[in-house]
Amino acid sequence: GAVVSQHPSWVICKSGTSVKIECRSLDFQATTMFWYRQFPKQSLMLMATSNEGSKATYEQGVEKDKFLINHASLTLSTLTVTSAHPEDSSFYICSAEGQRVDTEAFFGQGTRLTVV
Amino acid sequence: AQSVTQLGSHVSVSEGALVLLRCNYSSSVPPYLFWYVQYPNQGLQLLLKYTSAATLVKGINGFEAEFKKSETSFHLTKPSAHMSDAAEYFCAVSDLSSSASKIIFGSGTRLSIRP
Repeated sequence: GAVVSQHPSWVICKSGTSVKIECRSLDFQATTMFWYRQFPKQSLMLMATSNEGSKATYEQGVEKDKFLINHASLTLSTLTVTSAHPEDSSFYICSAEGQRVDTEAFFGQGTRLTVV
Repeated sequence: AQSVTQLGSHVSVSEGALVLLRCNYSSSVPPYLFWYVQYPNQGLQLLLKYTSAATLVKGINGFEAEFKKSETSFHLTKPSAHMSDAAEYFCAVSDLSSSASKIIFGSGTRLSIRP
């Protein structure tokens, strides 16, 4: 199957700093990328949907100024957690989908963010 | 709106025993259904998916699931559990009739395997 790579796999940052997480589709063009957040022992909650070259669509309750999403190319989307706080600590997972209507979404390996 | 409900947050079976993880869905349009597996601190791996073809879907690692419209169910089974099957399993639903569709996940079921 297709490969989606997330970087970094884990990151620790201080409160108040910003952290950028990258999601890359390595062998296909991802017209749409999705960002999910997963709290310990819970399911994945969709945060936002991003289409290449346009603004991301955020789910209700997700602060767009807090979680900045950029999808500048067909192979890269980034999620920046701005002014991070301990409550932002979580597991963030991206998925990428290609151009075909019935294509499946491929998931990255996730990023464990810890804010101290 | 679409949703999935996974019955049982934790299932424990003996090695070699039948694995049954339950999932019921709700969808106003013909659904696409998925089962994903997640190992600790890792992303998701697709086990199998139903996209309106055969109702019995075979996936990787010996897993299969049957789509039952009358019961709005998509339960995951494996005839004989292996220690390596211990993981978190997520049932998910999507409407892939559009070019890019959200996948809605269930709450997950943690599968433990007893020696």
